[in-house]
Amino acid sequence: QKEVEQNSGPLSVPEGAIASLNCTYSDRGSQSFFWYRQYSGKSPELIMFIYSNGDKEDGRFTAQLNKASQYVSLLIRDSQPSDSATYLCAVNMGDTGRRALTFGSGTRLQVQP
Amino acid sequence: DAGVTQSPTHLIKTRGQQVTLRCSPKSGHDTVSWYQQALGQGPQFIFQYYEEEERQRGNFPDRFSGHQFPNYSSELNVNALLLGDSALYLCASSWPQGRPYNEQFFGPGTRLTVL
Repeated sequence: QKEVEQNSGPLSVPEGAIASLNCTYSDRGSQSFFWYRQYSGKSPELIMFIYSNGDKEDGRFTAQLNKASQYVSLLIRDSQPSDSATYLCAVNMGDTGRRALTFGSGTRLQVQP
Repeated sequence: DAGVTQSPTHLIKTRGQQVTLRCSPKSGHDTVSWYQQALGQGPQFIFQYYEEEERQRGNFPDRFSGHQFPNYSSELNVNALLLGDSALYLCASSWPQGRPYNEQFFGPGTRLTVL
């Protein structure tokens, strides 16, 4: 069983819509959760992190965490063509940067103008 | 404030050769992690360094080795290159222990092609 699972997509949404990206993880000891955006040929860019159950909002982005269901999601409101990228979910088994991140394979998002 | 830097940007090697990749962390960061990202996959953890020691290691063979210098910069060495080592190699840096934030920030990566 993969430790972090994401739907590979592509997820296609029209411009201005809400994009919903989902991720599940297997280790109940996981404590920190991250969303990275990766444009084709570029390196991952951190866009959101969440440590506690519930929602965390930052601009057009909302991260949602449900530890009981081992589920984390990212909502992108008012999606723009510039949001078209691969979104990587990453999990840290600890509460420090001195732990390895485990990544999913990513979900490719396409925002149609 | 300079971000994470990596060199070189691209590298082409042949099977059996050896390669060294370099990374400088963000200002204030002392921990460096290396990841390998194959095409269409998420990054895979190779190892992590802080206080000039390898602290954690992922499922990679001993052909992969590293080093951290007193200024916190780091090198990744790969010996006896295989075609399957072709990938984007990413360096990420993070804060010292005890800081309230544990995010890892990635450099631009080194694209390694093995022919």
